[in-house]
Formats: sequence, structure tokens, C-alpha cells
Amino acid sequence: DAKTTQPNSMESNEEEPVHLPCNHSTISGTDYIHWYRQLPSQGPEYVIHGLTSNVNNRMASLAIAEDRKSSTLILHRATLRDAAVYYCILRDVGSSGDKLTFGTGTRLAVRP
Amino acid sequence: DSGVTQTPKHLITATGQRVTLRCSPRSGDLSVYWYQQSLDQGLQFLIQYYNGEERAKGNILERFSAQQFPDLHSELNLSSLELGDSALYFCASSVAPRVDEQFFGPGTRLTVL
Repeated sequence: DAKTTQPNSMESNEEEPVHLPCNHSTISGTDYIHWYRQLPSQGPEYVIHGLTSNVNNRMASLAIAEDRKSSTLILHRATLRDAAVYYCILRDVGSSGDKLTFGTGTRLAVRP
Repeated sequence: DSGVTQTPKHLITATGQRVTLRCSPRSGDLSVYWYQQSLDQGLQFLIQYYNGEERAKGNILERFSAQQFPDLHSELNLSSLELGDSALYFCASSVAPRVDEQFFGPGTRLTVL
């Protein structure tokens, strides 16, 4: 399985933008880049995904490098509720099944 | 609330025992996934079912088995339990395999003493 590398932890101030980086140098052409987050004492929650182009949704934006070897999840205005572990995942849609291979994630702390 | 329910919330048992964890997917979802989250291994995919059939397998031990029933709920059976099986077990569901978003339940915390 292709692997992702993320910083163990990051801090942000409330209402400021946050850029969460992810390296995935062994990404293959059929791998989608997915982001999930896990709030304290909850199951993971889908945030966003993309293949090649940058993506925006109501929760966040995803910026994907031209060579696809790295990506950045952008939270435009961090709130206290955004404090969570953020996982960058490569999802292979080439196989018959569908498994998410989670890495160690980035623990985001948001300061009031 | 993701719409995925898991029971029980907590389970405490002894080594060598067998337990069953239950998952009800969101209404309309046909695919169910099981994950294990432990302190040392992180979140690991175990197995996926789609409409009653096994679809993908991950790092699931032979002591563990799962099935999906005609009403689409799923059960994960863990037997000959060891201390290292203590973990959070999450179930997720999606409309179909190979879709963009999986919806995770709140998890079952298993403690093996």
C-alpha cells in the first residue's frame, strides 16, 4: 500500500487558516487522496478528497501538487471544534474492494 | 451523528473468551467496513462486506471473523481473545463499494483483562 507522511502535531490560533501538509511520494496513478479527521472520542469523519485538481467543499480545501507527490489540507478559519487528528490517506480505486489505509495522522490543537 | 450504530459501547472480558460486536449501517448503505484502532497500531482496516459478500480483506487475524446479514447489519466475532486485542473497533458504511465517503460509527471499546 502506498504510504503517507504527516507531521505528528500542529498548533493553530482560532479563526486563523491552517495548512496541514502530507507527503505521498509513492502515489500511483489510480490513487485518490482522501482526508479524514477524528474528533476526540468519536469515529473518523470524511473531510475531502481529490485526484489531481484542487478541491473545495464546505469543510475545507485540498491543494494537490502538480506531481501529486504531496498535498495540503486547508482549513480556512480554524475553530475550537476543528481540534482533531487529521489523516491523509491514499485510496486505491483499482482494486475490487475499498480499504482506507490510515497513517499516524496530524494532531491539530486550536488555541482560543 | 453518522447514522451508523454500534453495540455495545463498551465490553470488558477475559483472555480466551469470545465476543461479538454488532454494527447497523446507515439506511440505504449496502457496504460495511470494520476497523481496529489500538494505541500501538493506529487505525487498521480489517474487512469489508458488500450486500452480504466479503469484498476486501485487510489485516484481520484468523481468530476474527465477520459476516453481513440479509438485513445488512454486520457482526464481528473475536475469539480466543488476547490482551493485545484490547482496542476500539469501528464500523463504517457506504452506499456501495469504491465510493468517496465512508461513514463511521462511534465504535466499541473492547478491554481484555
